[in-house]
Amino acid sequence: QVQLQESGPGLVKPSETLSLTCTVSGYSISSGYYWGWIRQPPGKGLEWIGSIYHSGSTNYNASLKSRVTISADTSKSQISLKLASVSATDTAVYYCARDDRPIRFWGQGALVTVSS
Amino acid sequence: DIQMTQSPSTLSAFVGDRVTITCRASQSVSSWLAWYQQNPGKAPKLLIYKASSLESGVPSRFSGSGSGTEFTLTISGLQPDDFATYYCQQYSSYSSLTFGGGTKVEIK
Repeated sequence: QVQLQESGPGLVKPSETLSLTCTVSGYSISSGYYWGWIRQPPGKGLEWIGSIYHSGSTNYNASLKSRVTISADTSKSQISLKLASVSATDTAVYYCARDDRPIRFWGQGALVTVSS
Repeated sequence: DIQMTQSPSTLSAFVGDRVTITCRASQSVSSWLAWYQQNPGKAPKLLIYKASSLESGVPSRFSGSGSGTEFTLTISGLQPDDFATYYCQQYSSYSSLTFGGGTKVEIK
């Protein structure tokens, strides 16, 4: 069974870079599928951030593209998210997911609060 | 980018009711449309994919229909576990995914 687990700081200061890691078990991330990040601000809806294909190519939400980097470390079976120059509007639960087109497997989510 | 609009944003219903949620796309997504259920504090769960295909393990009271720009999710015989928030999502574009704004199904 595919399992995903997000990890990283729960508190980030404004203007700094948010960094999260997703550790995948039960499937090799280099074998196939997209691997993505989705976020959900408190009390609001879901927003796709971006995805990385197993080949390494990436796609990002146009509204976040200038600040986002998604990468993969196949040796560690990890997907990483970096979001630069954060502000309070980036406060959200961040989910990593295996994007089977549709999304079948989700992590439990990690709450990241942007505050000084 | 393709925009997804769900209606209603909130729906009140009784246990046993048949409810329908609508999702409209700003341009055709063919049948590349999924529905998810989300309970508070939990990750979304896939219910329907390719507009009308029921995900394995999902009760048959959930059904999806539509193609192009108009889609519906129907729950036939609402159960207590079904009071949750539902999202549609298009995956027509390989480079971009978008979700609807969500529909919260509340107990009447």
